Amino acid sequence: GESVGLHLPTLSVQEGDNSIINCAYSNSASDYFIWYKQESGKGPQFIIDIRSNMDKRQGQRVTVLLNKTVKHLSLQIAATQPGDSAVYFCAETHSKLTFGKGITLSVRP
Amino acid sequence: EAEVAQSPRYKITEKSQAVAFWCDPISGHATLYWYRQILGQGPELLVQFQDESVVDDSQLPKDRFSAERLKGVDSTLKIQPAELGDSAMYLCASSLPRGEAFFGQGTRLTVV
Repeated sequence: GESVGLHLPTLSVQEGDNSIINCAYSNSASDYFIWYKQESGKGPQFIIDIRSNMDKRQGQRVTVLLNKTVKHLSLQIAATQPGDSAVYFCAETHSKLTFGKGITLSVRP
Repeated sequence: EAEVAQSPRYKITEKSQAVAFWCDPISGHATLYWYRQILGQGPELLVQFQDESVVDDSQLPKDRFSAERLKGVDSTLKIQPAELGDSAMYLCASSLPRGEAFFGQGTRLTVV
């Protein structure tokens, strides 16, 4: 979805399901990409990163996919937990770190 | 665990007053960033340092904002005079060259 004003798009998932958060980036020169998680009142927290010479990278319960052809990045969270509820930002960098608009992940118990 | 330290956590100031924020990056991180985050939006880069040098301040409103990192370690961001529209979270981050940026907890500024 597209954000309007102050409202971030929201993804609502059932606890235990897998979550997929998508991001489109703009700079074709970007060669390093990072996903951040931000909880209310806190600074962004690093989740996982990927460089442009890769198309997939896995961490603990998280996977990042990069499609440079269409400038698309996705974050997959396996077995989503209530503690995963937060705002998620993708960020791209070539010379400076630029953030996307953010998506709110809401986990239903 | 090493972390980026910021102070104060919260600041309320009257418009037209001066305000300053401080950041101590993770030891050894040459790159330091100041971001502004308005509620409901992503962080926007204000200024980026490499050691003591500014490498990008294209989005810094230079008529009222200034940033320095004199010894290439900690950094100060100043606003003078503050305006109502400056109310936001001010985030500091640091990184190794070409590495992931680690963020502090931020300073929540309210201008009244």
